[in-house]
Amino acid sequence: NAGVTQTPKFQVLKTGQSMTLQCAQDMNHEYMSWYRQDPGMGLRLIHYSVGAGITDQGEVPNGYNVSRSTTEDFPLRLLSAAPSQTSVYFCASSWGGRNTEAFFGQGTRLTVV
Amino acid sequence: AQKVTQAQTEISVVEKEDVTLDCVYETRDTTYYLFWYKQPPSGELVFLIRRNSFDEQNEISGRYSWNFQKSTSSFNFTITASQVVDSAVYFCALSGFTGRRALTFGSGTRLQVQP
Repeated sequence: NAGVTQTPKFQVLKTGQSMTLQCAQDMNHEYMSWYRQDPGMGLRLIHYSVGAGITDQGEVPNGYNVSRSTTEDFPLRLLSAAPSQTSVYFCASSWGGRNTEAFFGQGTRLTVV
Repeated sequence: AQKVTQAQTEISVVEKEDVTLDCVYETRDTTYYLFWYKQPPSGELVFLIRRNSFDEQNEISGRYSWNFQKSTSSFNFTITASQVVDSAVYFCALSGFTGRRALTFGSGTRLQVQP
C-alpha cells in the first residue's frame, strides 16, 4: 500500500516563484491536512480538509492555498514563495471514525532563496 | 484553543537507562485524543500511540509505557532500558474528538541515547 504520497521530496525555489506540493492518499480517508515543521516549533497546521470540496484554515495559512476536488488528493499551493516559507512540509490523512490515527507522508523539504 | 507543551527540548541518556518524556496539554474539549509520534533521523513521522480522553488506563507496549493523568493534563511517555535506536525526536499531540481532526503538536523532545 502506498499510504500517503508527497511529491516532490526536495525543492528549491526563488523568492516570488509559485509551486504546488502534491499529496495523494489511497486509503479513502476523509480527513487530510498540511503541516509545516520548523526547528524548535514542532508541526503547525496550515490547512485541512474534512472531505472533498471542504477546506479550512489552520494556524499558519498565509501564503498558501489548498483545494480538495477529490477524496484522494490535497495539493498545497505556494502563491509567491518567501524565505520564511523555507520548511519541511508534511501531508497527513485519517479516517473520520472515532478511533483513528493520522498517517503522514514522507515530507517535502522546501528551500526558498 | 489547544496547546501542547513539551518542556524538555533535549535529553541525553546512556543506553539501558530509563527515560521519561513529559507532555502537558490544554484544551477546552471534554473529549479528545492524545498521541505520541516518533521522528527518527530519517525524518518520517511514526505513530506510537493514541489515547482517548475518557480512557485513563496506562498502557505498556514492550519497552514503552504511557501515563495519562487527566487531573494534571499530562500524558508522559517512558522508555525502559533505552537503546541507541530510540534516538529520535518525539512529539506529543492533541486532537478534538469531533469536527476538525487536525493535530496540535508540542515542540518535540530530542532524545539522544549514547552507547
